[in-house]
Amino acid sequence: GGIITQTPKFLIGQEGQKLTLKCQQNFNHDTMYWYRQDSGKGLRLIYYSITENDLQKGDLSEGYDASREKKSSFSLTVTSAQKNEMAVFLCASSIGSGGSERLFFGHGTKLSVL
Amino acid sequence: AQSVTQPDARVTVSEGASLQLRCKYSYFGTPYLFWYVQYPRQGLQLLLKYYPGDPVVQGVNGFEAEFSKSNSSFHLRKASVHWSDWAVYFCAVSMGHNQGKLIFGQGTKLSIKP
Repeated sequence: GGIITQTPKFLIGQEGQKLTLKCQQNFNHDTMYWYRQDSGKGLRLIYYSITENDLQKGDLSEGYDASREKKSSFSLTVTSAQKNEMAVFLCASSIGSGGSERLFFGHGTKLSVL
Repeated sequence: AQSVTQPDARVTVSEGASLQLRCKYSYFGTPYLFWYVQYPRQGLQLLLKYYPGDPVVQGVNGFEAEFSKSNSSFHLRKASVHWSDWAVYFCAVSMGHNQGKLIFGQGTKLSIKP
């Protein structure tokens, strides 16, 4: 079996700071995703990537950048952290180009902005 | 645009009672539908998935769901809940194979009364 590793587990930032979250998968999956989870709002897609160096915007991409330099890794950057922001960022991967296959999720990075 | 609505933010049932968690989707066409579960302090896991075909889908741990095109619904059911079912349940929809993104509902938090 494979695993998705997200680092760090907890991230505390300052308002206006640029913050980077990292995700590694050893499933050898083609597609990787970043979702944001807010209480009462479910999961919202930020970015996804169907192959190395590919990036596709989700519904919540404003304020974020992403990078997929290797098949196994997908990073997300919060370009300017918002004061009192609190959310969990979930990384996921799936075989193929996504849509019909199951997603495998990491345990998340919990972000707090002071 | 495709969307998913889970009308019940919280549901509480007694242990041993039956369960139905509601999910309504909006999509012009036949979607691929999923239920994911997030147990406390764990990552999201797939419970079951629907591909065009038999409308009743069996999942893990005694869960099943029924697709209804006429009602645009994909409700999750279980005949007898156990305390270990205490979790947050997410319904999700995609446009199909090679369509990339999966859209999630807001989630339903299930609590179990002893």
